[in-house]
Amino acid sequence: QKEVEQNSGPLSVPEGAIASLNCTYSDRVSQSFFWYRQYSGKSPELIMSIYSNGDKEDGRFTAQLNKASQYVSLLIRDSQPSDSATYLCAVNENDYKLSFGAGTTVTVRA
Amino acid sequence: DGGITQSPKYLFRKEGQNVTLSCEQNLNHDAMYWYRQDPGQGLRLIYYSQIVNDFQKGDIAEGYSVSREKKESFPLTVTSAQKNPTAFYLCASSISWGNPQYFGPGTRLTVT
Repeated sequence: QKEVEQNSGPLSVPEGAIASLNCTYSDRVSQSFFWYRQYSGKSPELIMSIYSNGDKEDGRFTAQLNKASQYVSLLIRDSQPSDSATYLCAVNENDYKLSFGAGTTVTVRA
Repeated sequence: DGGITQSPKYLFRKEGQNVTLSCEQNLNHDAMYWYRQDPGQGLRLIYYSQIVNDFQKGDIAEGYSVSREKKESFPLTVTSAQKNPTAFYLCASSISWGNPQYFGPGTRLTVT
């Protein structure tokens, strides 16, 4: 199985601040990258997909991909208490499989 | 209303019993997947299926079995051979390779 590494956290940020999450992956041929949000006791929910180098913005979320350095990051701007969750990074292997990181737990302090 | 359904939400079984978890999708997705998640850990792939009547073992298939007789359905059986079956089981589907996977609400299995 390909390696996907994330800092486990917890990452604690004050309300209104930027939360920055990082993910590195081992397989150079990976082409598709995803961020999922998972609230405690619930299933993962897709929040971002990114396929090419650079930034992709969707509302308060920005995904950044650097294939040369093999990392993908997620920025959460204007963090809200409702953003408190575990964020999973997922990377496509060269078939139908996704490899998941163990997740970074984010806590937004009111 | 499209989506993925899993049933039941909670399941309790005695050790030594086989149990089948249901997963149904009406998204017209070709690919379906089963994962397990243990506390504080990432998702581990059990089985996946790209098309009807075909499926492949994932990283932790021992003690599990699946079938894919219909595009919409991908049930998972947890057999008595699975040494540590208590976990959160997640079913997912995707339209094809390289596309995101969407998850059902999960089944929490407890075996005592």
